Amino acid sequence: EIVLTQSPGTLSLSPGERATLSCRASQSVSSTYLAWYQQKPGQPPRLLIYGASNRAAGISDRFSGSGSGTDFTLTISRLEPEDFAVYYCQQYTSLPLTFGGGTKVEIK
Amino acid sequence: QVQLVQSGGEVEKSGASVKVSCKASGYTFTNYGISWVRQAPGQGLEWMGWISTYNGNTNYAQRLQGRITMTTDTSTSTAYMELRSLISDDTAVYYCARVGRRDSYNRHFDYWGQGTLVTVSS
Repeated sequence: EIVLTQSPGTLSLSPGERATLSCRASQSVSSTYLAWYQQKPGQPPRLLIYGASNRAAGISDRFSGSGSGTDFTLTISRLEPEDFAVYYCQQYTSLPLTFGGGTKVEIK
Repeated sequence: QVQLVQSGGEVEKSGASVKVSCKASGYTFTNYGISWVRQAPGQGLEWMGWISTYNGNTNYAQRLQGRITMTTDTSTSTAYMELRSLISDDTAVYYCARVGRRDSYNRHFDYWGQGTLVTVSS
C-alpha cells in the first residue's frame, strides 16, 4: 500500500499569502496518477488538480501542482478567503487507492 | 450538468447492513466508473472500492473484503454500496465519486455525491 504523508498538518496564513502544501509518497507514484482535492466543512471533496499538475475544470489559476516520484506540491499563489479549507492528495497508481491525511489551511 | 445524488442518512444497529444509493445524471453512466469513499467524523478520506459501470468489475479495499458489495443498475443509472456486519467504526459519511474511466480504477474523481451519513449504534 502506498502511504501518502502530507505536511504540514495545519498551515496558518493570511489572505494574500502564498501556501505551499507537501505530499510525500512511501514509494514512487506516476505523476499521471496524483490528484489534489479541496474540502470545506459539510461538503464533499472537490477535485483541484489531476495528473499532478493539471487543473480541473473551473479551478482558478491560483492553484498549481507540481512534483514527481515521491514528492508532490500544491501551491496556492495568493490565498483568497474561500481557499481556507482542508486539502488532500490522492494516488491512483495502484490498489488500494490512498489519500493523504490532509493539510488544513486556516486563517492566521 | 453532472450530478450524483445519494440516498438519505441511515441509523443502523451493530451487526446490521446498510445499502447506500448514488443516482447519476447529466452524462452517460456506463462511460465512467464509480468509487466509494468514506470519512469518519473529524477524520480523513478512506477509499472503499471501485466498480466499473461498463462491465461490473469491482475492486474492494482489503480491510472491507467480505463485508462490502458494490453494484450498479444501468437502467436507472444508479450505483449501490452495501456494507454488512456493521460496527461502530463504520459510522461515517459515505461518498460516491465518478471515476474518469469506465474500465479501470486509475483515474481521478471528478464529481462527488453529496454524502450519506451512516450512524451505527450499539
